[in-house]
Amino acid sequence: GAVVSQHPSWVICKSGTSVKIECRSLDFQATTMFWYRQFPKQSLMLMATSNEGSKATYEQGVEKDKFLINHASLTLSTLTVTSAHPEDSSFYICSARGGLPSTDTQYFGPGTRLTVL
Amino acid sequence: QKEVEQNSGPLSVPEGAIASLNCTYSDRGSQSFFWYRQYSGKSPELIMSIYSNGDKEDGRFTAQLNKASQYVSLLIRDSQPSDSATYLCAVEFMDSSYKLIFGSGTRLLVRP
Repeated sequence: GAVVSQHPSWVICKSGTSVKIECRSLDFQATTMFWYRQFPKQSLMLMATSNEGSKATYEQGVEKDKFLINHASLTLSTLTVTSAHPEDSSFYICSARGGLPSTDTQYFGPGTRLTVL
Repeated sequence: QKEVEQNSGPLSVPEGAIASLNCTYSDRGSQSFFWYRQYSGKSPELIMSIYSNGDKEDGRFTAQLNKASQYVSLLIRDSQPSDSATYLCAVEFMDSSYKLIFGSGTRLLVRP
């Protein structure tokens, strides 16, 4: 149980384009989904928290107009990086909370590696 | 500022030995603690969760929690080369919703 998928697993795009990343909880309904970013040799940094049907809550320093989050259902959240630039190149990981066997545990997706040229 | 501190390592142990990973946290109100393992280039996977003071064992892994000292540890018995990874300590706190703060991770190397 508690499987989270992400798509795509990697993406390369040109500077100025927008990229959408999907996060799905496959076998449970996630009450909350989270988006993290991880730069090489650094730990995970929480970008935003989203609950189904509500606006996402962004962490300090994260531009909400650049990183658009939509949490359309209890199993799907999307992150859109708008007008991506090389400094946005990173490993983006989503997690979902609310699944069995432990409903208060965050289960992570496999991550999406974004490279902006 | 809520913080989670870990020694970055690397911690190098021989195969078959016990690896001991430590973590301290700043928020006294935290009630839930997690250890995740992250292989290079991969996302974190849950190893253990612990909520009460004392020890919690799961196979070769034992998590230890001391809330008075704000200290969490993970012991890995009979370490295997496949255990070589970065181990992330995570502490949950309540903001507008439940969130995790991660430590910077301890890199473990198990020598064959």
